[in-house]
Amino acid sequence: AQSVTQLDSHVSVSEGTPVLLRCNYSSSYSPSLFWYVQHPNKGLQLLLKYTSAATLVKGINGFEAEFKKSETSFHLTKPSAHMSDAAEYFCVVSLNTNAGKSTFGDGTTLTVKP
Amino acid sequence: DAGVIQSPRHEVTEMGQEVTLRCKPISGHNSLFWYRQTMMRGLELLIYFNNNVPIDDSGMPEDRFSAKMPNASFSTLKIQPSEPRDSAVYFCASSLVAGYEQYFGPGTRLTVT
Repeated sequence: AQSVTQLDSHVSVSEGTPVLLRCNYSSSYSPSLFWYVQHPNKGLQLLLKYTSAATLVKGINGFEAEFKKSETSFHLTKPSAHMSDAAEYFCVVSLNTNAGKSTFGDGTTLTVKP
Repeated sequence: DAGVIQSPRHEVTEMGQEVTLRCKPISGHNSLFWYRQTMMRGLELLIYFNNNVPIDDSGMPEDRFSAKMPNASFSTLKIQPSEPRDSAVYFCASSLVAGYEQYFGPGTRLTVT
């Protein structure tokens, strides 16, 4: 069994300040973890992924996430927010197998204020 | 690669009509997923296929919904008859293997009046 919890449904930051979107997961096995971004009226786009290699994962557009097994967390960060980062972000956990199903979090809406 | 292709991009239909949504996954991908997204319910997995075989359809809301994947390069999601509560954005996604990263299409916005 697996589950994922995004701890904040909405996060608001000012342009140029750091971004932190929190994600906790639960999995019976070593999971793969992903962050996706969805801009308004668009499909979901992969930001980054963790698949049991380096625990600090770098993604597109300056985003990073750190896999912390002891805390069962996979928080998404960015040092400096841009207006274009305003979107909805989804944390996803899955088993890295042919029968594995991905479980999506409920999403976090990021607002960036000028 | 062209990515995941969905058609139509927008569909407006009247209650009771049949609706067919289409998806072409990325070539070489073995898993295909259908999702529905609404403001009220968020993103929901409806069904997914591995190697053209339906693996989990527990998310299909009711018998009015059906999905097929006749070959590796094409899938359909059909709603018959459609109802206003089916109004949503329907996404198709594909992945190399289930459990790997998914690549999403642009979605079909369905409005049932």
